[in-house]
Amino acid sequence: GAVVSQHPSWVICKSGTSVKIECRSLDFQATTMFWYRQFPKQSLMLMATSNEGSKATYEQGVEKDKFLINHASLTLSTLTVTSAHPEDSSFYICSARRQAGEQYFGPGTRLTVT
Amino acid sequence: DQQVKQNSPSLSVQEGRISILNCDYTNSMFDYFLWYKKYPAEGPTFLISISSIKDKNEDGRFTVFLNKSAKHLSLHIVPSQPGDSAVYFCAASGGNNDMRFGAGTRLTVKP
Repeated sequence: GAVVSQHPSWVICKSGTSVKIECRSLDFQATTMFWYRQFPKQSLMLMATSNEGSKATYEQGVEKDKFLINHASLTLSTLTVTSAHPEDSSFYICSARRQAGEQYFGPGTRLTVT
Repeated sequence: DQQVKQNSPSLSVQEGRISILNCDYTNSMFDYFLWYKKYPAEGPTFLISISSIKDKNEDGRFTVFLNKSAKHLSLHIVPSQPGDSAVYFCAASGGNNDMRFGAGTRLTVKP
């Protein structure tokens, strides 16, 4: 099956610093990538949809200036959490769409802000 | 506004028996439905999907049923195995291709 990687798999940072998370589709080109956030024992929450070469589309309630998304190529999207705060601590998951309707997920990144 | 609902947070089944996970949706624009399996601290893994032009799709031990009039879909796993123990998410997408997830159902298959 299609493979999507995320790096890093976990990160601890201090409050006020920025953290970048990379999402790569390893064996296919993804015109669209998605970023999700999951709180403990809750569903996946779509944060933004990222199309290669254009600005990301953010879901209502997601601060675009805080969660910077860049989709520089057909195989790479990055999520930068700027000026992180403890409430940003969460599990962030990306996915890449290979063809209509099918999405393949990365393994997730655990962010802990101290 | 929760457009995809999984009303059972957990389900426990004996090994070898059938597991039935249910999902309801409210948006009639959804035309593609998927089930994902998720282990803790991992990304979801795609299991099976169904488009709105079908009412059943089968893949090995997994079968998804879609009842469009009731806006209801279900995932059947038979026979259930201990390795199936995980959280199962139902997802739906529509014309804008945004995917919405249910809250998940934690399945425990007891040996």
